[in-house]
Amino acid sequence: AQSVSQHNHHVILSEAASLELGCNYSYGGTVNLFWYVQYPGQHLQLLLKYFSGDPLVKGIKGFEAEFIKSKFSFNLRKPSVQWSDTAEYFCAVNDAGTYKYIFGTGTRLKVLA
Amino acid sequence: DTGVSQDPRHKITKRGQNVTFRCDPISEHNRLYWYRQTLGQGPEFLTYFQNEAQLEKSRLLSDRFSAERPKGSFSTLEIQRTEQGDSAMYLCASSPRRQGIDIQYFGAGTRLSVL
Repeated sequence: AQSVSQHNHHVILSEAASLELGCNYSYGGTVNLFWYVQYPGQHLQLLLKYFSGDPLVKGIKGFEAEFIKSKFSFNLRKPSVQWSDTAEYFCAVNDAGTYKYIFGTGTRLKVLA
Repeated sequence: DTGVSQDPRHKITKRGQNVTFRCDPISEHNRLYWYRQTLGQGPEFLTYFQNEAQLEKSRLLSDRFSAERPKGSFSTLEIQRTEQGDSAMYLCASSPRRQGIDIQYFGAGTRLSVL
């Protein structure tokens, strides 16, 4: 069965620090990949997505992610975090043959002002 | 607000009672999904509809759970004879009619507490 692993459950950073959140998935076929963000008290929002093409994708608010097929990874990065990035981040995989998403357990990011 | 709407936002019930949640998707989105999220976990897929047809159900969806989308618009998720283990956030998402590419838009969820 497909699974998604997010190894960092809690991350605490100071403002302006760089961020990298890991995401690995366990499916060898064609996949679509997503990062969603959930700000405190709000619903899940799409941060960025990868379907095909350039493996380096850019999303909203200065976030980017790199798809490395050989490593089954889709890590999220941001060069300089802000206090407003405090949120929970979820990686998700969608088997190209179905529509359901498989989510990771999430990473709770806290940015200290 | 043209996002996915879920009602109620919170539901507290006693064990053994039945509960029903409603989801209104974004207008003209033909796919609708239900997920369940428990503390410390990511959302877990329960079921999805394409128009009014329920096309996939997770094994998580026991026979106490039933979902409908009778006219291909709003959907309801009913849990019969609730158990404490049903306490969770129930999320609804919808996605537009687009071949092969599926971007899901999520509602704020219904938080269920079973006492």
